[in-house]
Amino acid sequence: DAGVIQSPRHEVTEMGQEVTLRCKLISGHNSLFWYRQTMMRGLELLIYFNNNVPIDDSGMPEDRFSAKMPNASFSTLKIQPSEPRDSAVYFCASSLRRGSTDTQYFGPGTRLTVL
Amino acid sequence: AQSVSQHNHHVILSEAASLELGCNYSYGGTVNLFWYVQYPGQHLQLLLKYFSGDPLVKGIKGFEAEFIKSKFSFNLRKPSVQWSDTAEYFCAVNAGYGNNRLAFGKGNQVVVIP
Repeated sequence: DAGVIQSPRHEVTEMGQEVTLRCKLISGHNSLFWYRQTMMRGLELLIYFNNNVPIDDSGMPEDRFSAKMPNASFSTLKIQPSEPRDSAVYFCASSLRRGSTDTQYFGPGTRLTVL
Repeated sequence: AQSVSQHNHHVILSEAASLELGCNYSYGGTVNLFWYVQYPGQHLQLLLKYFSGDPLVKGIKGFEAEFIKSKFSFNLRKPSVQWSDTAEYFCAVNAGYGNNRLAFGKGNQVVVIP
């Protein structure tokens, strides 16, 4: 079975540019989570969706960040304009939400460097 | 809000030594508990999980964890570590019904010396 797929795996861009990160959920999963990992702040939840609906976006740093689920199996995280402090590894995770049990499976991550 | 505490952020030990990593959480209701492992340069992988039933959970690669409800703890153990166990280990807690958001601890960086 294919796991969570993320693209690109590495992205280097200049400050002010728009960055779009992509995530494909595991087939049949209905929840999607975006995380950011840095040395200083560790692993932070940015936003998560259940059945394509954003449930909690309180972790999104500011208006420069936006996330969408245009369909049930795909999500994008956009940063516009990007800044050097956005440099981090961005992970998405998916899960099958049913009742009270829910296991998140992580993608390989996108390492973003903003110069 | 839930919080998860992991102590001894950096652990260094020799091969064949035993490993125990502590995890304590603050939520008082029904919880789901997880340990994830992140090998250098890789993504988080599920090591083991507890939803209900036997509080001693066995995971992959010889790891196990014990849920002690009275102590709000879910400690991870491995009797004899290998160099390949060098990684960062994260404990995570989910508050069951109504919320599938995970609260993560800050992680334990484990280095196994050959």
